[in-house]
Amino acid sequence: DADVTQTPRNRITKTGKRIMLECSQTKGHDRMYWYRQDPGLGLRLIYYSFDVKDINKGEISDGYSVSRQAQAKFSLSLESAIPNQTALYFCATSDGITPQHFGDGTRLSIL
Amino acid sequence: KQEVTQIPAALSVPEGENLVLNCSFTDSAIYNLQWFRQDPGKGLTSLLLIQSSQREQTSGRLNASLDKSSGRSTLYIAASQPGDSATYLCAARPSGSRLTFGEGTQLTVNP
Repeated sequence: DADVTQTPRNRITKTGKRIMLECSQTKGHDRMYWYRQDPGLGLRLIYYSFDVKDINKGEISDGYSVSRQAQAKFSLSLESAIPNQTALYFCATSDGITPQHFGDGTRLSIL
Repeated sequence: KQEVTQIPAALSVPEGENLVLNCSFTDSAIYNLQWFRQDPGKGLTSLLLIQSSQREQTSGRLNASLDKSSGRSTLYIAASQPGDSATYLCAARPSGSRLTFGEGTQLTVNP
């Protein structure tokens, strides 16, 4: 079983819809992150959390929200999806010392 | 604000060739620099992590160097193989936990 699991793996939806991407981990890490990847732009940080009561904005948080339901779960929401949020989304975890550990990504297309 | 750039964006080489991927960063006050590999449809896998006090790290056929004063890191791959074909990303980490990623170099090793 994967250490960091993202669901769904693929999603196609329409403009204006509310979408939730979920991430769960079995690594026991306190720190969790959401990134988006666009062609030619690398990965950009959306939100991150250092523990259940801690939520921090990354460099591109507008249009997104997150919820840290438990140490092992960190979800990303798009309240009203727009086409330029079409991207590949990654969840990652870390203990603050070793390299971040990534899920396999969610490919999101907004029509 | 830290900016990370990778050159070239894409590279195609014949099998067996030694090659170098380049990464440059604008702020030398980094905690560490990391190299990741990304396969199509997959997340990122950590390859090497160089602490700011180190100059290089080696793992098998991979060697990563770090020169903070010039804001550069290189990833050297010896005796390349078709299985090395992937996108390689570098990421600089400042004193906090956030990573700044480069855009990646897409490597193709031809049999």
